[in-house]
Amino acid sequence: QLQLQESGPGLVKPSETLSLTCTVSGGSISSSSYYWGWIRQPPGKGLEWIGSIYYSGSTYYNPSLKSRVTISVDTSKNQFSLKLSSVTAADTAVYYCARRPMVRGVISFFDYWGQGTLVTVSS
Amino acid sequence: EIVLTQSPGTLSLSPGERATLSCRASQSVSSSYLAWYQQKPGQAPRLLIYGASSRATGIPDRFSGSGSGTDFTLTISRLEPEDFAVYYCQQYGSSPVFGQGTKVEIK
Repeated sequence: QLQLQESGPGLVKPSETLSLTCTVSGGSISSSSYYWGWIRQPPGKGLEWIGSIYYSGSTYYNPSLKSRVTISVDTSKNQFSLKLSSVTAADTAVYYCARRPMVRGVISFFDYWGQGTLVTVSS
Repeated sequence: EIVLTQSPGTLSLSPGERATLSCRASQSVSSSYLAWYQQKPGQAPRLLIYGASSRATGIPDRFSGSGSGTDFTLTISRLEPEDFAVYYCQQYGSSPVFGQGTKVEIK
């Protein structure tokens, strides 16, 4: 059974960089059939896609966050990571990692999710 | 960029009733590349429907999806107590978009 687990600091100071890692177990991050993604959800609000990465390192980012986001992959550790720079209180959210199958060459839905981790931006 | 608008914002129903949730896209969604998720408080979203109408593994058959183009529907034929939750639609692609969600609450 595939499992994803987010890890990283739960508290980040304003203007600093948020860093999270997603560890994948029960399957290989190097499969050619999947992208891997980050999604966030501010308290009481809806879901916002942050970005996606392929095992080769190919990435797509939400245009509204692109200037501050970097997603990377470490296939040797079966992990992928998120860095979000210059954070403000508006970046306070539960951050999820998830898997995205390729369907007919299109990056599709999110079928496996981590449990999520709350990151609070506060001094 | 496609915008997905879900309606209603909140649906108040009783167990055993039928729930009909709408997801409307600002432009046509290619090849029914649309998914639905269920999210309960404190939990990650769970994939219910992909390809507009295919149920994900382990999803009960009371959940069904339909639609194409710009109009999509999630139907729960008879609400069970565990179905009261928030539901999101999502369009596929390299820049995926989520709808704002519909909350199904107990009347």
